Amino acid sequence: GAVVSQHPSWVICKSGTSVKIECRSLDFQATTMFWYRQFPKQSLMLMATSNEGSKATYEQGVEKDKFLINHASLTLSTLTVTSAHPEDSSFYICSARDPDRVGPDTQYFGPGTRLTVL
Amino acid sequence: GDSVTQMEGPVTLSEEAFLTINCTYTATGYPSLFWYVQYPGEGLQLLLKATKADDKGSNKGFEATYRKETTSFHLEKGSVQVSDSAVYFCALNAADSWGKLQFGSGTQVVVTP
Repeated sequence: GAVVSQHPSWVICKSGTSVKIECRSLDFQATTMFWYRQFPKQSLMLMATSNEGSKATYEQGVEKDKFLINHASLTLSTLTVTSAHPEDSSFYICSARDPDRVGPDTQYFGPGTRLTVL
Repeated sequence: GDSVTQMEGPVTLSEEAFLTINCTYTATGYPSLFWYVQYPGEGLQLLLKATKADDKGSNKGFEATYRKETTSFHLEKGSVQVSDSAVYFCALNAADSWGKLQFGSGTQVVVTP
């Protein structure tokens, strides 16, 4: 199946710094990517929908100025956590939609990035 | 709003045992329902799906039936293997939000030899 990668797989940073997480679709061009956040033993919560060449659409309650999303190419979306604080520590997962496939199950997920803010 | 509730884990069972993971949902209209599996160190993978009532999704020995009357989509496997150890997520895609997935909290399954 299609492969989506994330980098880094884990990151530790100091409070107040910014962290960038990359999501790449390796064997297809993804016009749409999704960013999720997962707390321990909780659901994946959709943060935003990233569309290539346009602004991301954020879910209610997600601070767009804190979680900057850029989808500048058909194979890369980035999530930047700005001025990170310990409460931003979480597992961030991206998915990419293959536009050549039809149906609601055309998302492929990355392995996730563990962010720890000290 | 839409939501998915699944049983908490971890679920620990012996090889060749029967596995059931309960999943119920709340949604308006007729959502599509999914089970995803996440093996250690890997991304979520689609395990099976059902797009309308009474549909049965199946894959790798796993099955789940879309029950609209009970708003459920329970996952079952008759004889598990150690390689089935993973976290399983139930999810729905609402009819009017194509592409957006609402996930349950995940259930960790541990199969021992």
